[in-house]
Amino acid sequence: AQRVTQPEKLLSVFKGAPVELKCNYSYSGSPELFWYVQYSRQRLQLLLRHISRESIKGFTADLNKGETSFHLKKPFAQEEDSAMYYCALSGRGSYIPTFGRGTSLIVHP
Amino acid sequence: DVKVTQSSRYLVKRTGEKVFLECVQDMDHENMFWYRQDPGLGLRLIYFSYDVKMKEKGDIPEGYSVSREKKERFSLILESASTNQTSMYLCASSLDRGQYFGPGTRLTVT
Repeated sequence: AQRVTQPEKLLSVFKGAPVELKCNYSYSGSPELFWYVQYSRQRLQLLLRHISRESIKGFTADLNKGETSFHLKKPFAQEEDSAMYYCALSGRGSYIPTFGRGTSLIVHP
Repeated sequence: DVKVTQSSRYLVKRTGEKVFLECVQDMDHENMFWYRQDPGLGLRLIYFSYDVKMKEKGDIPEGYSVSREKKERFSLILESASTNQTSMYLCASSLDRGQYFGPGTRLTVT
């Protein structure tokens, strides 16, 4: 069975501080990992996926197979980063992702 | 740009009513999904469809059914709405593993 754990329901930081949203997974195989973001009153949207290895809005995430983690990081948080963030995993051969329960990020001015 | 639209942003229904939630995507995606989103519980998959007239149960299908008569349209049906089905309902579509979401329908059952 595949599982995604986001241990923090809420993460509160000040503007300019580094931010790390944690995501741990369990899956026996090579998963594909994603981060989705939902800003206030907007639709849920794909932020980044591990196979792209790109930085979106200053965020990066590295798949660590040894620690089975896919933490989302940004060196300097901005107020507009305040949102709900979901980590998701798709197993090999499956188009059905498993989502974590989400972490609400609040960036204070 | 992928566009996923949902028929209503807000809906209020009475207990026992039959409720239809419609979702349309314009990018010829094979896969479509219905989730409910509840605080602290994240996204839970209700049903998904990988082709016209094909459907599979997700994690919480009880009390729901779906219909996919055309590739672009995926409907969620609450046969007899109950108060515990008050929630935000999200539709999504995908071609590969990355999903595109609709704006959501906030359903309140009184």
